Amino acid sequence: DAKTTQPTSMDCAEGRAANLPCNHSTISGNEYVYWYRQIHSQGPQYIIHGLKNNETNEMASLIITEDRKSSTLILPHATLRDTAVYYCIVRSNSGSARQLTFGSGTQLTVLP
Amino acid sequence: KAGVTQTPRYLIKTRGQQVTLSCSPISGHRSVSWYQQTPGQGLQFLFEYFSETQRNKGNFPGRFSGRQFSNSRSEMNVSTLELGDSALYLCASSFQDLAVGETQYFGPGTRLLVL
Repeated sequence: DAKTTQPTSMDCAEGRAANLPCNHSTISGNEYVYWYRQIHSQGPQYIIHGLKNNETNEMASLIITEDRKSSTLILPHATLRDTAVYYCIVRSNSGSARQLTFGSGTQLTVLP
Repeated sequence: KAGVTQTPRYLIKTRGQQVTLSCSPISGHRSVSWYQQTPGQGLQFLFEYFSETQRNKGNFPGRFSGRQFSNSRSEMNVSTLELGDSALYLCASSFQDLAVGETQYFGPGTRLLVL
């Protein structure tokens, strides 16, 4: 699976949109971009995933650039409960077992 | 639909003991994967079970084992505990096996402390 690069930390004001970037310049054609988050000492929570089109669900939006080398997770109205470590993962949808490999992630702190 | 559940949530053991952790996947999910998470090593894959068969295994010693039952519930066992086994053990379930690339959903984890 391709490697991802994320900023170590980010702050966001409560009520504002949080935009979390991720670089995955070596992504290949059959690899999806997944986002999970982990609130301290809890299990990771699935947020969203996409292949090449932008995706939106009740939690967030995922914007993938046309060349697929980077993406942005958008939390439209961040709340204090969104404070967590956010992980961007690139993962193939076929072939041998695709267990998840988390990098260091981005610590998002939502400020009151 | 209920999420992935893990029991117990917290556990304290001493070196040399053995421990069994339990995981109930989301209803209808047949794949269960186990991960170990530590501050130093991050998230590491232990193994995956699908339809009661171990499909894949990570790079852990034989002290770590698991099994899956016909109702897809899974247990993980660690024998002869070492201090370094202290970690958050996470279970994740998906409908199909990992080779299909299904989204995995995690449980809350079991926090194991080895003294």
